[in-house]
Amino acid sequence: QVQLLESGPGLVKPSETLSLTCSVSGFSISRGYYWGWIRQPPGKGLEWIGYIYQSGTAYSNPSLRSRVTLSVETSKNQFSLKMTSMTAADTAVYFCARLGELSSPLDYWGRGTLVTVSS
Amino acid sequence: SYVLTQPPSVSGAPGQTATITCGGINMESKSVHWYQQKPGQAPMLVVHDDSARPSGIPERFSGSNSGDTATLTISRVEAEDEADYYCQVWDNYNSHQIFGGGTKLTVL
Repeated sequence: QVQLLESGPGLVKPSETLSLTCSVSGFSISRGYYWGWIRQPPGKGLEWIGYIYQSGTAYSNPSLRSRVTLSVETSKNQFSLKMTSMTAADTAVYFCARLGELSSPLDYWGRGTLVTVSS
Repeated sequence: SYVLTQPPSVSGAPGQTATITCGGINMESKSVHWYQQKPGQAPMLVVHDDSARPSGIPERFSGSNSGDTATLTISRVEAEDEADYYCQVWDNYNSHQIFGGGTKLTVL
């Protein structure tokens, strides 16, 4: 069974950089598929952050692109998100997920991790 | 950029049919996926590629896509179906993932 688990700090100070990691079990990242990040501010809808392929090819939301770096580490079966210049507006639950192709559905999700931006 | 429009809320009594729409320009040219999200949980795929159901999803959940509107239909609504529902497409022109704003289904 494919499982994804997000890890990272629950609290980030304004202007700092957020680093999150998604650990994948039950499936090898090196087999392909896209791996992505989606976030959800409290009480609001889903917002796409970006996807990365095991080769390193990445796509990201234009509204966040200048602040987002996606990476994949196949040796650890993990992929990561870095987001710079965090503000209160970035407070959200951050989910990692898997999809087969860019037009495919997100078939496996992590349970999400709440990131709060506050001093 | 491409926009998906969902009604903020729909409601239905147990046993009735609930319909959730997702509007976008030329939607029928895209593959639409639907997710159910209950409070405190991650979204769960309930319909993919317009009308296909993942394993384990009840037949009560069905989807269609025609013209500018995709539709998720939940037949014989049950209390456990109360949740937020999101539609999703890939905007190939802009290489951008799009989610609808979400629809809250209330079971009366």
